[in-house]
Amino acid sequence: KQEVTQIPAALSVPEGENLVLNCSFTDSAIYNLQWFRQDPGKGLTSLLLIQSSQREQTSGRLNASLDKSSGRSTLYIAASQPGDSATYLCARAGGGNKLTFGTGTQLKVEL
Amino acid sequence: GAVVSQHPSWVICKSGTSVKIECRSLDFQATTMFWYRQFPKQSLMLMATSNEGSKATYEQGVEKDKFLINHASLTLSTLTVTSAHPEDSSFYICSAGRAGSQETQYFGPGTRLLVL
Repeated sequence: KQEVTQIPAALSVPEGENLVLNCSFTDSAIYNLQWFRQDPGKGLTSLLLIQSSQREQTSGRLNASLDKSSGRSTLYIAASQPGDSATYLCARAGGGNKLTFGTGTQLKVEL
Repeated sequence: GAVVSQHPSWVICKSGTSVKIECRSLDFQATTMFWYRQFPKQSLMLMATSNEGSKATYEQGVEKDKFLINHASLTLSTLTVTSAHPEDSSFYICSAGRAGSQETQYFGPGTRLLVL
């Protein structure tokens, strides 16, 4: 069974801090690794997608890395803002573009 | 582009009734759509993969007679929760992938179902 785990489960930081969210997966035969944001009661917003042949992707204050050999991905958020408060989900894409989601990290950025 | 809508956004129904949820890709064709459910404070669990013009593929443990999926066109998939019970109350989210592409899936806003 493919499993995706995220650490920490919850995180509270003061505004302006740089932070790292971790994602680990058990099967390194992935197609891509994706990071999503979910606001309470809402759907998902795609943040970054890293193809299996890539090692990292950047978008604004977000940077995601992928290490297939160790089965890990990290999402780095620079200069965090209260608007970044949300649940962050990583998802591993396998065959047939099926996504297996991680357990999520609930982030709160305080003023 | 790449907008996916769901209807309704929320529904409350009595136990024993059936509820249909629609998932539409508004500005692209989607040969494959996926249905997920999410319990409070938990992650998304894939229920089934819906392929246009063919039967859906259900994940282990998901009752296909309970959750009927129809993908009649390249822009519409429906999920019908038959004879709903309180334990079916959940947040149901669909996603769609562009035809001929292996890029990211695009997610709908979700449908919250409450069965009384």
